[in-house]
Amino acid sequence: DIQMTQSPSTLSASVGDRVTITCRASQTVNNWLAWYQQKPGKAPKLLIYKASSLESGVPSRFSGSGSGTEFTLTISSLQPDDLATYYCQQYNTYPPMWTFGQGTKVEIK
Amino acid sequence: QIQLVQSGDEVKKPGASVKVSCKASGYTFIDYGMHWGRQAPGQRPEWMGWINDGTGYTKYSQKFQGRVTFTRDTSASTVYMELRDLRSEDTAIYFCARVYCSAGNCYVSDHWGQGTLVTVSS
Repeated sequence: DIQMTQSPSTLSASVGDRVTITCRASQTVNNWLAWYQQKPGKAPKLLIYKASSLESGVPSRFSGSGSGTEFTLTISSLQPDDLATYYCQQYNTYPPMWTFGQGTKVEIK
Repeated sequence: QIQLVQSGDEVKKPGASVKVSCKASGYTFIDYGMHWGRQAPGQRPEWMGWINDGTGYTKYSQKFQGRVTFTRDTSASTVYMELRDLRSEDTAIYFCARVYCSAGNCYVSDHWGQGTLVTVSS
């Protein structure tokens, strides 16, 4: 099974800061990599799919990059509403299944 | 708009079963399969399995094989997840999430249910 590892586990930043979260896969995921935002008591919300494609309706301050086994989520200018836990997820194309990273909790200073 | 609405929170005793529903609206139900996953307190989401769009074929995570069953009612646009022989470690929020598959490829889950908290306690 593919293992997903995120860093850091927790991140504290100020409004307006540029924030970067890293995700590493134990083997190549061929860019079948998504990023989700999860707020307490809510379902995960899709931000980025196929490593760098922005989901419709998601603010352009969110961006994804990377390939193979190493990926990055960047928030270009942190906003108060971005307080959440962020997860990377690799998803198999067929049969479908997925694995999440352990999450990065973003706190506002 | 696209919605996946799950049934309400449940409290069960160890050894019991639970059945959670996920009702879809706002899209053509039979065009999409459905993942089920769960998230224990403070943990990452965990994949439980998938039911496909066409035949209702299912694939379960080895961890839950033999203890979980997914079914669907296409006339009601609803998918069900039944988990049997509940243990305290099954306490978690259970989610459904739709998935589109075509020509041998399946894609990211763009819509999720709101989650159903299942608490297992004696």
